[in-house]
Amino acid sequence: RKEVEQDPGPFNVPEGATVAFNCTYSNSASQSFFWYRQDCRKEPKLLMSVYSSGNEDGRFTAQLNRASQYISLLIRDSKLSDSATYLCVVTGPGAGSYQLTFGKGTKLSVIP
Amino acid sequence: GAGVSQSPSNKVTEKGKDVELRCDPISGHTALYWYRQSLGQGLEFLIYFQGNSAPDKSGLPSDRFSAERTGGSVSTLTIQRTQQEDSAVYLCASSPRQGDQTDTQYFGPGTRLTVL
Repeated sequence: RKEVEQDPGPFNVPEGATVAFNCTYSNSASQSFFWYRQDCRKEPKLLMSVYSSGNEDGRFTAQLNRASQYISLLIRDSKLSDSATYLCVVTGPGAGSYQLTFGKGTKLSVIP
Repeated sequence: GAGVSQSPSNKVTEKGKDVELRCDPISGHTALYWYRQSLGQGLEFLIYFQGNSAPDKSGLPSDRFSAERTGGSVSTLTIQRTQQEDSAVYLCASSPRQGDQTDTQYFGPGTRLTVL
């Protein structure tokens, strides 16, 4: 089983749509969870951390379900500038909790 | 302020040659990380530095890979006797605190290595 699994997409959505991405992780010892965004041929950039209580940042909402080892990202009112690959990231495995384990990413294309 | 910088941005080399990739972390960041991203693959952890020491080298794929960090700042990733499967984007990241799992890692633009 892959450590972090994501639907690769692509998700092609019209401007203004709501889109949701899901991610599952295998390491039950992971303590921290993130969504990163990566534009084509660019470095990953932190979008938001993910907390058990759920958290929101503008049009973006992240949820974590530790029991199911499941993370989600909801984007409302999609903008053209949201087009990117979204990477689900967890800490671990092993004792190195600083080590980030990345999913392969979900590609989003927002269409005019 | 200045972000993480990496050089060169692109490197093309012949199989069997050695290459050195450089990373300049954000000033004052104590932790430094190397990852690589192969085509169609997720980012793969290589090595982590806490100051000048590397407590975890478990991600290095073979003994042809080595890294060092000097002065708590610049780091160099060296690949000896490069192979075609080493072709990837090598990304460096830094974070302010030592091994704090909640700390944001800031990535550099990467070095795109192509081994012919």
